[in-house]
Amino acid sequence: GAGVSQSPSNKVTEKGKDVELRCDPISGHTALYWYRQRLGQGLEFLIYFQGNSAPDKSGLPSDRFSAERTGESVSTLTIQRTQQEDSAVYLCASSLITGGGWVEQFFGPGTRLTVL
Amino acid sequence: SQQGEEDPQALSIQEGENATMNCSYKTSINNLQWYRQNSGRGLVHLILIRSNEREKHSGRLRVTLDTSKKSSSLLITASRAADTASYFCATDAREDAGNMLTFGGGTRLMVKP
Repeated sequence: GAGVSQSPSNKVTEKGKDVELRCDPISGHTALYWYRQRLGQGLEFLIYFQGNSAPDKSGLPSDRFSAERTGESVSTLTIQRTQQEDSAVYLCASSLITGGGWVEQFFGPGTRLTVL
Repeated sequence: SQQGEEDPQALSIQEGENATMNCSYKTSINNLQWYRQNSGRGLVHLILIRSNEREKHSGRLRVTLDTSKKSSSLLITASRAADTASYFCATDAREDAGNMLTFGGGTRLMVKP
């Protein structure tokens, strides 16, 4: 069956440009998560969606970062006026339910963003 | 911010040896999970241990949890070259934030054939 997919797999952009990263979760998964991973480091939580709503946006690093989700399906993470410090792998994960106990998060392959 | 710290940051062993990785965390947790990551891309869930459990096994994996010390260890027995990857612990602490995971910095394991 299809897993979580992300596009593009690699993105190289110039400083100051806007980028959009896309995540297609597993069909039927109500929760969707975005993480950022800088080179050689662990994952940093950015934001999660419960359905189409994002109850907690406190993990977003700055107001240049935004995310949306539509149809309880695809999500886009937008970074405006990119900076070199935004260079990282952006990982998306989805899970079937949220809260009330553990459910496994299934991760996509990530988008490697390089800001020149 | 990262809650967990893992040690060692890098580990190199020979095939057949056991590999032990440790993880420490700071706050109370609901559960702790271990993930594997190949080549800096997608993560694969390995094993979960709940806060009321002390030890758990899955195949060649053994995980322990000491909530009094806020630490966990992952043991891979009889390692294989294919086990070469980065291993991360992740804690699930906030009941009001879905299953938001807080990851440690990871241990890079290299298993030499």
